Amino acid sequence: DAGVTQSPTHLIKTRGQQVTLRCSPKSGHDTVSWYQQALGQGPQFIFQYYEEEERQRGNFPDRFSGHQFPNYSSELNVNALLLGDSALYLCASNDRDRAIYEQYFGPGTRLTVT
Amino acid sequence: AQSVTQPDIHITVSEGASLELRCNYSYGATPYLFWYVQSPGQGLQLLLKYFSGDTLVQGIKGFEAEFKRSQSSFNLRKPSVHWSDAAEYFCAVAAGATNKLIFGTGTLLAVQP
Repeated sequence: DAGVTQSPTHLIKTRGQQVTLRCSPKSGHDTVSWYQQALGQGPQFIFQYYEEEERQRGNFPDRFSGHQFPNYSSELNVNALLLGDSALYLCASNDRDRAIYEQYFGPGTRLTVT
Repeated sequence: AQSVTQPDIHITVSEGASLELRCNYSYGATPYLFWYVQSPGQGLQLLLKYFSGDTLVQGIKGFEAEFKRSQSSFNLRKPSVHWSDAAEYFCAVAAGATNKLIFGTGTLLAVQP
């Protein structure tokens, strides 16, 4: 049973560029959440997708956007990258009906903005 | 506003010694509480969770945590630490209908031989 997978593992971008990160949820899960973890900090909630719609959003600017596909996988897009966007981006999934509060995390994508 | 505080940024214990990591939360309703562990360069692994019922919960890897409503605390414990327990530990509370997790800033655990 595959867990949550994310790609790519690492990414280096230049300020002003755009980036897309990808996440495949754990088998049987239909909800995907994205978190940003800056160095030395705890993860911060970005947004959550369920039934291909954004259900809740954290305190992040509109430069951060997402998408969920019919197979429940998800993308996180960040436009006009800033140096402060450098972080580990974590994807988490859960089965909304069976274990709404139990989220499983992927290994993350390390984004470096230069 | 909901929040989680982990007062200890860095803790060092000797292998075989007992461990307690502190967590305090602020949440208006009945909290759903979690402890996650993160090894270097890795994602988060769920150690244990508290939803309701018995206030002492058992998790994986020999960890346990006790929920104390009167103290707004959910401290993580282990009776005998192993070198492989060296990692960063995060306490979190689930908030709202979408169960978004609010994390503390983490406690980095070092284990001395």
